[in-house]
Amino acid sequence: DAGVTQSPTHLIKTRGQQVTLRCSPISGHKSVSWYQQVLGQGPQFIFQYYEKEERGRGNFPDRFSARQFPNYSSELNVNALLLGDSALYLCASSRLDGTANQETQYFGPGTRLLVL
Amino acid sequence: AQKVTQAQTEISVVEKEDVTLDCVYETRDTTYYLFWYKQPPSGELVFLIRRNSFDEQNEISGRYSWNFQKSTSSFNFTITASQVVDSAVYFCALSGHEAYKYIFGTGTRLKVLA
Repeated sequence: DAGVTQSPTHLIKTRGQQVTLRCSPISGHKSVSWYQQVLGQGPQFIFQYYEKEERGRGNFPDRFSARQFPNYSSELNVNALLLGDSALYLCASSRLDGTANQETQYFGPGTRLLVL
Repeated sequence: AQKVTQAQTEISVVEKEDVTLDCVYETRDTTYYLFWYKQPPSGELVFLIRRNSFDEQNEISGRYSWNFQKSTSSFNFTITASQVVDSAVYFCALSGHEAYKYIFGTGTRLKVLA
């Protein structure tokens, strides 16, 4: 089975622009999470979507938004880009464990965003 | 608040040496999960293990082993007979009552020299 896929792999934008990142989950996974990883740091949770509904949001400004489509793929949008938004954006998919309501998140290769 | 600390920023070992990566966590949740991920230079986080707070049994998978001790809030990872292919950044992560939200440590960069 194919893993989590993300596009594009790399992106260069300028301050003030808007960007859309895309993610396709593993087949059979209905949950998608987004993380931001700044160079030298661990990933930070941005959002999770399950069955097209937002389950949770991390400590990120409203410039960050996301949505999930009927096929469970997802888009992350960032408006009014700042230099500090330069990072690796990781998407993860998961399938809820029916017995424990826990899930293991499987990550994609990420999109490297550079804001100039 | 939940927190994961990986105090070792970078470790260098010679091939075939054993190496242990430390992870200390903080949480007030009684039910929580701990994870280890490997991040090679390509950037993708590769899942290695998941452990729940009620299972303190150590686990071994090939050259990898994990030691979970609730008494010291630690979940350490040992690689036996390290290989060059083990070179990567390793992250420890925690999730609690917000099961979907993983809290990651800052990672430990492991360099295995031939």
